[in-house]
Amino acid sequence: GENVEQHPSTLSVQEGDSAVIKCTYSDSASNYFPWYKQELGKRPQLIIDIRSNVGEKKDQRIAVTLNKTAKHFSLHITETQPEDSAVYFCAAKNFGNEKLTFGTGTRLTIIP
Amino acid sequence: DTGVSQDPRHKITKRGQNVTFRCDPISEHNRLYWYRQTLGQGPEFLTYFQNEAQLEKSRLLSDRFSAERPKGSFSTLEIQRTEQGDSAMYLCASSSRWDEQYFGPGTRLTVT
Repeated sequence: GENVEQHPSTLSVQEGDSAVIKCTYSDSASNYFPWYKQELGKRPQLIIDIRSNVGEKKDQRIAVTLNKTAKHFSLHITETQPEDSAVYFCAAKNFGNEKLTFGTGTRLTIIP
Repeated sequence: DTGVSQDPRHKITKRGQNVTFRCDPISEHNRLYWYRQTLGQGPEFLTYFQNEAQLEKSRLLSDRFSAERPKGSFSTLEIQRTEQGDSAMYLCASSSRWDEQYFGPGTRLTVT
């Protein structure tokens, strides 16, 4: 089955700087890659996603890049703000398979 | 609030008791998922419904677990003869035809 690895497990960034979180996946048939933000005690919130037919997608301060050859994808957050502090999860899904396989999460702390 | 809702939000039960959780998906979402999340980990897939049909079950879903989605609307997840290892956050998600899965706030189960 699919295996998703996520790094780093913790990340501290000065406010205003950029943060990058990286994930690798094992199944070359995976074609959908969402990112979720989970604040303490709250639901995972879908913040951005990318499909295998594009290499990059951007939404304001958040961008995701995908390298299908290397089977890795990354989340980029620019101009970080204190409210960006949370745990971020990457995930992958195969075409024709409905389940999401999640990474182990990255705890992002923005230092004011 | 038109998002995914779950009830109860918290459940404390004694080992050996049965518990049932409810999930109400986003209106008109025909796909519904159950995941389990333990502390410090990403959500793990349990089972998936398309309308009222249960189409996929994880090996994590032992015989003590059963899920239903009568009439293709809300869903219930029942755990019989609970064990301490069942303590976790049980998350429900729903989606429409496309890939995006939107999560509910979860039910936190504590088995004493």
